[in-house]
Amino acid sequence: LAKTTQPISMDSYEGQEVNITCSHNNIATNDYITWYQQFPSQGPRFIIQGYKTKVTNEVASLFIPADRKSSTLSLPRVSLSDTAVYYCLVGDENTGKLIFGQGTTLQVKP
Amino acid sequence: NAGVTQTPKFQVLKTGQSMTLQCAQDMNHNSMYWYRQDPGMGLRLIYYSASEGTTDKGEVPNGYNVSRLNKREFSLRLESAAPSQTSVYFCASSEAGQGDYGYTFGSGTRLTVV
Repeated sequence: LAKTTQPISMDSYEGQEVNITCSHNNIATNDYITWYQQFPSQGPRFIIQGYKTKVTNEVASLFIPADRKSSTLSLPRVSLSDTAVYYCLVGDENTGKLIFGQGTTLQVKP
Repeated sequence: NAGVTQTPKFQVLKTGQSMTLQCAQDMNHNSMYWYRQDPGMGLRLIYYSASEGTTDKGEVPNGYNVSRLNKREFSLRLESAAPSQTSVYFCASSEAGQGDYGYTFGSGTRLTVV
């Protein structure tokens, strides 16, 4: 199965920009890269999705290089409420199934 | 609110008992999924259904069965529960089979097997 790699944890302070990178060397040609946010005792919530280059919405930006073997989620000016686990989701070129990364626990401090 | 509804929210089973976790979505999505989440393991795919009438195994299917009852409903059954199946179970749905449009997750079922 394809493997995705993310940092296990990150710390930040309110008002800072946070960048979380996910490596996905075996991404399938037609698969999208999707990022999710999860708070304790809740299901993951969709944040952003992209195929290549840059995507921006009201919550975050997603940067994807030309080779698509990694992606970076950028959260501008984080607040305490952004403390959560962040997952990247990509396809598996061998099975076609979607694999979550192990998640990055972001702790935002005052 | 539209979305994915899971029942029950909590369940305690004795080893060897059976139960079915229910999931229903009202977004007319084609694809549905069952994941389990264990501490430090992230989410792992148990089974998925790319469309009504089809099901396929995910990463960790052993000990589970599924039924795609219709387009709305996708159930997960534990025939003989084991302590190793203690976990939080999430159901999800998506528009496209490969999740190109993002998943919508339910709020989860916390299962304890003693």
